[in-house]
Amino acid sequence: GNSVTQMEGPVTLSEEAFLTINCTYTATGYPSLFWYVQYPGEGLQLLLKATKADDKGSNKGFEATYRKETTSFHLEKGSVQVSDSAVYFCALVRDSSYKLIFGSGTRLLVRP
Amino acid sequence: NAGVMQNPRHLVRRRGQEARLRCSPMKGHSHVYWYRQLPEEGLKFMVYLQKENIIDESGMPKERFSAEFPKEGPSILRIQQVVRGDSAAYFCASSVDWDSPLHFGNGTRLTVT
Repeated sequence: GNSVTQMEGPVTLSEEAFLTINCTYTATGYPSLFWYVQYPGEGLQLLLKATKADDKGSNKGFEATYRKETTSFHLEKGSVQVSDSAVYFCALVRDSSYKLIFGSGTRLLVRP
Repeated sequence: NAGVMQNPRHLVRRRGQEARLRCSPMKGHSHVYWYRQLPEEGLKFMVYLQKENIIDESGMPKERFSAEFPKEGPSILRIQQVVRGDSAAYFCASSVDWDSPLHFGNGTRLTVT
């Protein structure tokens, strides 16, 4: 079946460090891929998405590239800020656009 | 412009009691979705509703769980005779139409003692 696997957290970084959060997926066909972010005390927000192979989604300095050959959608940011501290969820959609399949989330803590 | 509003934020119930979780969608949104996040797991789809209609309930447990989205008022997720395994975070989302991005609420954290 369809599934998403994320690296376990928490990930602790110093401000201005480089961030990578790994995400791999299993799906039939050609899913769309997403990263959602949940800041403390808030709901999930769509951070970026990619709908086909080799697409790169980007937003707020974050990037992720849809790699079909490695079935991956790793999240990267060149220089993290304290305000990036949150839980990040990787997700895919295969058929119905509202049936998101989420990974278990990765907590990021950025220290000043 | 208020987002998706869920209440209560935290709910504690004893085994056998009923839990009612409420969700008011964003203004202008008529499509509502409920997801559940069990401890250490990702969010899982439960049900999709439009006003007065259940469109897709393929993720709902067959027993004790029900959902509604009446013509007036919030969407309600109801869990009867709760058990410890129902302890989870329940997220509601809404959208303008079935193919639009989902906007999530802050979730209701249910604890069954």
